[in-house]
Amino acid sequence: EIVLTQSPGTLSLSPGERATLSCRASQTVSSSYLAWYQQKPGQAPRLLIYGASSRATGIPDRFSGSGSGTDFTLTISRLEPEDFAVYYCQQYGSSPFTFGPGTKVDIK
Amino acid sequence: EVQLVESGGGLVKPGGSLRLSCAASGFTFSSYSMAWVRQAPGKGLEWVSYISGISTYIYYADSVKGRFTISRDNAKNSLYLQMNSLRAEDTAVYYCARALPFDYWGQGTLVTVSS
Repeated sequence: EIVLTQSPGTLSLSPGERATLSCRASQTVSSSYLAWYQQKPGQAPRLLIYGASSRATGIPDRFSGSGSGTDFTLTISRLEPEDFAVYYCQQYGSSPFTFGPGTKVDIK
Repeated sequence: EVQLVESGGGLVKPGGSLRLSCAASGFTFSSYSMAWVRQAPGKGLEWVSYISGISTYIYYADSVKGRFTISRDNAKNSLYLQMNSLRAEDTAVYYCARALPFDYWGQGTLVTVSS
């Protein structure tokens, strides 16, 4: 089983600032099958990034993903008020399709 | 427009059973794999089960293996999760999602296991 570790657990930033979220895998994620999701309270998760760096349909270009192997990063270039949420990474290259524990981005 | 609508959640006693359904629309259901993901109150996301388009491949998380069964009816555009021998730790919101990756999600259905 691939275990995903996300850091930091909480990121306190102001609107307009840059957010950098990390996801580290215990083993190589095959073919960069790494996704990022955003979840707001009371809502279902929303796919942001797949294939480590491809934006999902309708996702603003301030969201970008990078990385390969075991180290991946989600970057939000300039935080908008609606970006304060919890972010999860997930590997979907091999079963079990594990999620990381999440990073909460809150308002400083 | 892709829509996934879960139903079947509710309150059940430990050891009991429940069957969740997910009605899909807006896409060719049989062409896509599907999955169930759950979220315990105040906790993170946990993948539960996966089924390929024509049910060739089925996978389960270790936490539910032997107790839960995923299935689908492509003629009815529906996904199911039969949950048996339910435990308190199965209490969660259960989401169905189109896979892989999980690009569309339902709104979730709450399952509460309590005496």
